[in-house]
This record gives sequence, structure tokens and C-alpha cells, in this order.
Amino acid sequence: AQKITQTQPGMFVQEKEAVTLDCTYDTSDPSYGLFWYKQPSSGEMIFLIYQGSYDQQNATEGRYSLNFQKARKSANLVISASQLGDSAMYFCAMRGDFLGSARQLTFGSGTQLTVLP
Amino acid sequence: DVKVTQSSRYLVKRTGEKVFLECVQDMDHENMFWYRQDPGLGLRLIYFSYDVKMKEKGDIPEGYSVSREKKERFSLILESASTNQTSMYLCASSFQGRRRFFGPGTRLTVL
Repeated sequence: AQKITQTQPGMFVQEKEAVTLDCTYDTSDPSYGLFWYKQPSSGEMIFLIYQGSYDQQNATEGRYSLNFQKARKSANLVISASQLGDSAMYFCAMRGDFLGSARQLTFGSGTQLTVLP
Repeated sequence: DVKVTQSSRYLVKRTGEKVFLECVQDMDHENMFWYRQDPGLGLRLIYFSYDVKMKEKGDIPEGYSVSREKKERFSLILESASTNQTSMYLCASSFQGRRRFFGPGTRLTVL
């Protein structure tokens, strides 16, 4: 079974500062993928970044980077230079790479980020 | 870009009614999913389909059924809606095991 834990229900950050959103996971799959999605108040889920468990380097996509620490089973999202438009709910998710679990994407409970002007 | 559309953004139904939520994707994805989203619980998988007429139960299938007669369309059916099915419903599609593309969501209220 897979489990994702996001321990921060809400976070505040000042505009232009960096913020880290925490995500820890648990899985018995030797190979897996980790995702972060953003959900603005409009409701759509927007894919942000992906990290494979065997990727040598931490993933980066523009202002988003994933701080992947495999031994600690953590996959924190770092947003640099926060913008007001970053205010949204953020979800961490995991997918196993084997046939059965490859169809499952397990989500955390989410972190509501508010960027303050 | 992949487009996933859902038939309604907002829906209000009465207890006991049969409810159909439709989802259509335009990228020939083999996998389609229905999730339910509730505050503090994240997204929970109701059902998914990996091919036409194929389906598998997710984590919370009770009270729901699905239909996939065509590759691009995946329907979620509430046979007899109940108030505890008031929620946001999100449809998604993917190619093989890659990332999900999500629809805009349907906010269902059951009175």
C-alpha cells in the first residue's frame, strides 16, 4: 500500500520569498514516481513537477524544485520567489511503477498556500 | 495540449435520484479515472478504466458505478444519490502510467 502525508494544512509566505511544502511517503515498491499538483480556487488540477525514484538529480521546473531525499522518504516542493498567483492548494502524489500500482495515484491531503503581498 | 472536459461544473440533485457525470478526453488516452475530493482528505480514487469496457475499483467504489463504451468517454453513475455523496468529482486521463491530465471538476450537491 502507498501512503502520502502532507503535515501542513495551511502555509503563509510573503511575496518574493521562497517556501517549502512538505511531503513524506511510504511505499513497498522499489520503483515509483512522485508528483506535485496545484489546484487554484477555480478547481482544475495543474501538474507542476515529477520526480522518478531512480532519477539522479532533483527535478526542477522554472520556479519549482523538488527536494527529493530518498532515505528519508520525503519529496518536498520548493517554490522560489513566490507570486500572488501561487496562492492555491498543493497536492503531493505518488504512483508505483509496477503494473498494478502504476494505475494508482495516491494523493496527500493537500497544503493550502497563501502568498501575502 | 490534452483536453479533459466534464459535462457540468455544478450540479444539484435530490436524494434518490440517478446521477450521471460525463468525462471526455481528446488525446486517445487508454487510462481514465474518477476521483472524489473532500476537504482534508485529498483526492480519493473511485474507479478507473484502462481500456474500453474495462474497469477496476479504486479505494471508495461503494455507491458508484462506471461505464466506458468508447475510449474517449468515461461516465460515473450514482445509482441513488445520497447526501454523503455531496463532493467535488474530478475526472482524469493518462497515457500508460504517466501523469494524469485532469478535467475542471464537477461540484455535486445532493439535497
